Amino acid sequence: GQNIDQPTEMTATEGAIVQINCTYQTSGFNGLFWYQQHAGEAPTFLSYNVLDGLEEKGRFSSFLSRSKGYSYLLLKELQMKDSASYLCAVMDSNYQLIWGAGTKLIIKP
Amino acid sequence: GAVVSQHPSRVICKSGTSVKIECRSLDFQATTMFWYRQFPKQSLMLMATSNEGSKATYEQGVEKDKFLINHASLTLSTLTVTSAHPEDSSFYICSALRASGGSFSYEQYFGPGTRLTVT
Repeated sequence: GQNIDQPTEMTATEGAIVQINCTYQTSGFNGLFWYQQHAGEAPTFLSYNVLDGLEEKGRFSSFLSRSKGYSYLLLKELQMKDSASYLCAVMDSNYQLIWGAGTKLIIKP
Repeated sequence: GAVVSQHPSRVICKSGTSVKIECRSLDFQATTMFWYRQFPKQSLMLMATSNEGSKATYEQGVEKDKFLINHASLTLSTLTVTSAHPEDSSFYICSALRASGGSFSYEQYFGPGTRLTVT
C-alpha cells in the first residue's frame, strides 16, 4: 500500500534549527510537497521537490532523495510564528496526493 | 502569489438540504483541483481529484453521489454536498495545481476553506 510517515510532534527552541523528516512508499512518484498549516486555517504551500537535492527558500529548505524515499524540511532561525503543523504529501503516478498525518511543531522561547 | 478562492467561507444548513461550494483559481488556469475535508485536530483527507472536462476521481470511501464535483472550466470547480447530514459538518478545502517551469513541476495553492455546519 501507499504510506507516508512523519513524526507526530516535535519541539524546538526559538532561534534554533529543526529538521522534520518524511519517508514515503507510493505507487510512482511525481513530486513531494511540504505545507504549513496553522490551527483552523488551510495549509500553505511551502515547497515542491521532484529531483534529488536541496531546495532553499529563505529560512526554509527541503531535501529529497528518491532512491531512499525520503525528504526533510529544514527550518532555520525559528520564530514563534513557525509553531504549526507541517504536512508532507507525495504525488503518485496518477497525480493524486498521498498525505502524511502532519508533524506538529512546538516552538518554545 | 497565486490565489485560490472559495465561496462561501462559512455556511450553515439544515439536515436534508444541499450545499454548493465553489473553488476558483483567480489568476491561473488549473486543469486539476483537489477537494479535501478536515475534522478538528486531524490531517487533511483527500476526497476527490477534479479534472477539467472529465469526471472526478473519488477516494475510497467517499460517496460520489453524495459529494458531487463539477470542474466546468479551467478556473472553477464546485463541490455539492447533497442531502447533508450533521456528520457532514466539516472544514472543506480545495486546492488548485498550477504548472510552473517545465512540464514536471507544479505548485499547489489552497483555498481558504469552507466551514460547513449541518443542523
